[in-house]
Amino acid sequence: DAGITQSPRYKITETGRQVTLMCHQTWSHSYMFWYRQDLGHGLRLIYYSAAADITDKGEVPDGYVVSRSKTENFPLTLESATRSQTSVYFCASSGERDSNQPQHFGDGTRLSIL
Amino acid sequence: SQKIEQNSEALNIQEGKTATLTCNYTNYSPAYLQWYRQDPGRGPVFLLLIRENEKEKRKERLKVTFDTTLKQSLFHITASQPADSATYLCALLYNQGGKLIFGQGTELSVKP
Repeated sequence: DAGITQSPRYKITETGRQVTLMCHQTWSHSYMFWYRQDLGHGLRLIYYSAAADITDKGEVPDGYVVSRSKTENFPLTLESATRSQTSVYFCASSGERDSNQPQHFGDGTRLSIL
Repeated sequence: SQKIEQNSEALNIQEGKTATLTCNYTNYSPAYLQWYRQDPGRGPVFLLLIRENEKEKRKERLKVTFDTTLKQSLFHITASQPADSATYLCALLYNQGGKLIFGQGTELSVKP
């Protein structure tokens, strides 16, 4: 089925470990986004990508790394996880950036860092 | 920096009534304002979009208004149903950068 999928849905890891969250979309959308959602902060943009091999920082990029070698994939890596990165992470895609196109979200990855 | 405020307290209403949710923002007006619905354990789902030069937009039982003077958007659900219970997020899109800025969301509970 077409859509946007995130994996894993749940992840528990320890501080200092590297962890990668996966995001895959089947629409061939140009733009992809990573958000984190925390109580009291709402959705905050971590990184986004306008196309393959083009990425840019959002509001809270520190501690995260992204890549986009293929249009359909946009993995997010925490190089050395910290407890403050415990959160729910959402990936989204849209066809255009500066237009009225909505963003389509995956169902999130709930990440706990012990 | 731009700030968006949505009612942090949950809104509880009776089935059949109209639910009205508020989204206020500071500083300059966005090019577009979007509303999303989020159910527990799921990602947000797009509902409606309104442009800065539009006053009102409707879709079935949903209505969105946009007042750039008050710097406010109102989101209405008429004839509300228990299935409308969810958290509703407003999001602002500016031409510069094209990134969405989300409010924290308002939880709506519709009782039968």
